[in-house]
Amino acid sequence: DIQMTQSPSFLSASVGERVTLSCRASQNINKYLDWYQQKLGEAPKLLIYNTNNLHTGIPSRFSGSGSGTDYTLTISSLQPEDVATYFCLQRNSWYTFGAGTKLELK
Amino acid sequence: EVQLVESGGGLVKPGSSLKLSCVASGFTFSSYGMHWIRQAPKKGLEWIALIYYDSSNKYYADSVKGRFTISRDNSKNTLYLEMNSLRSEDTAMYYCAKWTDTYYFDYWGQGVMVTVSS
Repeated sequence: DIQMTQSPSFLSASVGERVTLSCRASQNINKYLDWYQQKLGEAPKLLIYNTNNLHTGIPSRFSGSGSGTDYTLTISSLQPEDVATYFCLQRNSWYTFGAGTKLELK
Repeated sequence: EVQLVESGGGLVKPGSSLKLSCVASGFTFSSYGMHWIRQAPKKGLEWIALIYYDSSNKYYADSVKGRFTISRDNSKNTLYLEMNSLRSEDTAMYYCAKWTDTYYFDYWGQGVMVTVSS
């Protein structure tokens, strides 16, 4: 089974700051990596699919990159509405989720 | 607008059964595979089941294989998860999610809580 390790578990950042979240797979996942945002009490929302493709309606301040085992979600300029938990999902071999990064405002 | 609305959760005793539903709208339900995913309290997300658009294939996580059954009724735009022999470790928020043609999950429901406790 592929394990997904997300870091950091918790992040506090200021409005306007550039934020980088990471996901590391236990083996090569061939860019089959998606990022989701989940706000309290809401359904998870797809942000990025296949490493770097922005889902419909997602602001361009969100971007993704990576290859092999290491992947990154970047928020170029943090906004108050970005406070949420972010998790990654690998789809190379069945489905494994990262444990999530909880993002808060400083 | 795509909407997925789960229902059927609740508090049940270990060993009992429960059937969850997920009603879909805003897209052609009969054209897409669907998944169930769960999240135990203070734990990560766990994929548990997949059903193809025409019910021709069904897949399960080892943790639920033989106890849970995924099904769908395309005439009712509804996805189901029948859960038998429930255990305390099945306590979780259960989400349904739509599968795209290129194999990612693009929309999720808000989830339904299942609590298994004596």
